[in-house]
Amino acid sequence: RKEVEQDPGPFNVPEGATVAFNCTYSNSASQSFFWYRQDCRKEPKLLMSVYSSGNEDGRFTAQLNRASQYISLLIRDSKLSDSATYLCVVNRQWNDYKLSFGAGTTVTVRA
Amino acid sequence: ETGVTQTPRHLVMGMTNKKSLKCEQHLGHNAMYWYKQSAKKPLELMFVYSLEERVENNSVPSRFSPECPNSSHLFLHLHTLQPEDSALYLCASSQVRTGDNEQFFGPGTRLTVL
Repeated sequence: RKEVEQDPGPFNVPEGATVAFNCTYSNSASQSFFWYRQDCRKEPKLLMSVYSSGNEDGRFTAQLNRASQYISLLIRDSKLSDSATYLCVVNRQWNDYKLSFGAGTTVTVRA
Repeated sequence: ETGVTQTPRHLVMGMTNKKSLKCEQHLGHNAMYWYKQSAKKPLELMFVYSLEERVENNSVPSRFSPECPNSSHLFLHLHTLQPEDSALYLCASSQVRTGDNEQFFGPGTRLTVL
């Protein structure tokens, strides 16, 4: 089983729509969770960390479900600039600097 | 952005060539990483240098050889590569501390092996 699994998509949505997708992780001992964003032919960049209580950053909301071992990302009021691949990232323990990446979920926002 | 730089940005090499990829971080971080990203696959961690420790992924072939002369510079030496090694090679750095491991990536070197 892969350490981190994501629906590759693509999710094609109109501007202004809400889009949400999940990621599952295999290691129940995982402690830290992140969403990275990667634009086409560019490097990944941290979008947001995911906290146990769930957290929101503007139009982006991340949730963590430890019991079912999944993380979700929801994007409200989609913008054309949200078109990217979103990478789910997990590390195995609180101070473990080695990250496991999912293959990414591609989102395309159309006008 | 100039936090993490990589050179060259693009590289085409034959299977008998020897080349090196260079990475430099200007963030004062104490850990540096090499990743391989192939199409439609997750980033694959190849090597980590953290403080005095080098950690490697045992599945990485010996034709890839890392070098970390100091905390700001990282190299990946390549020799006798195979066409399946064609990929985007990403360098990253982070400050290793409890509870936080945001990694900052360089723009990558897109490698094509003929």
